Amino acid sequence: QKEVEQDPGPLSVPEGAIVSLNCTYSNSAFQYFMWYRQYSRKGPELLMYTYSSGNKEDGRFTAQVDKSSKYISLFIRDSQPSDSATYLCAMSRPYSGGGADGLTFGKGTHLIIQP
Amino acid sequence: NAGVTQTPKFQVLKTGQSMTLQCAQDMNHNSMYWYRQDPGMGLRLIYYSASEGTTDKGEVPNGYNVSRLNKREFSLRLESAAPSQTSVYFCASRSTGGARGYTFGSGTRLTVV
Repeated sequence: QKEVEQDPGPLSVPEGAIVSLNCTYSNSAFQYFMWYRQYSRKGPELLMYTYSSGNKEDGRFTAQVDKSSKYISLFIRDSQPSDSATYLCAMSRPYSGGGADGLTFGKGTHLIIQP
Repeated sequence: NAGVTQTPKFQVLKTGQSMTLQCAQDMNHNSMYWYRQDPGMGLRLIYYSASEGTTDKGEVPNGYNVSRLNKREFSLRLESAAPSQTSVYFCASRSTGGARGYTFGSGTRLTVV
């Protein structure tokens, strides 16, 4: 079992729809949770960051973390064609000096917003 | 502010050839990373450098070597390229802001034939 599971899609929805993207993870050592957006032929850029269970909202985007279920979600409201991209979930352990550094990524979900 | 700069952007190698991928950051970050991204696999960590003078293996280090030349530069070397190393390679650096502080380069697209 991979540490982080994410459905690669593609996920195609009409403009204006609410989009739900999800990841599950198996390692309870993960304490920090991120969503990256990656446009074609570009590097990932940080979209949302959270370190606790619950919801975090930023404009049209809401990140949700449920540590008891090892499940994270990203919701996009009023989706736009410009939201079409690959969305990667990423996680990390605390940076306490011990253990491996770096992020563990999901496979990424390819999202298409149809005009 | 250029952020993280990777060179070259594209490269085609023949099996057995060697090459070095260059990465430089101008944000005074201590930590730097090399990832590879393959279709359906997400990004996987190859090597990282927590500070100048130190390097450590990540998830998929076989077939690669790295050099942290100074605080700004972190290079990735393929000594004898194989078709399995065809991938998009991303360099990243991280500020002291922890997990939220990563900045990625725009990638090097490598094809080994």
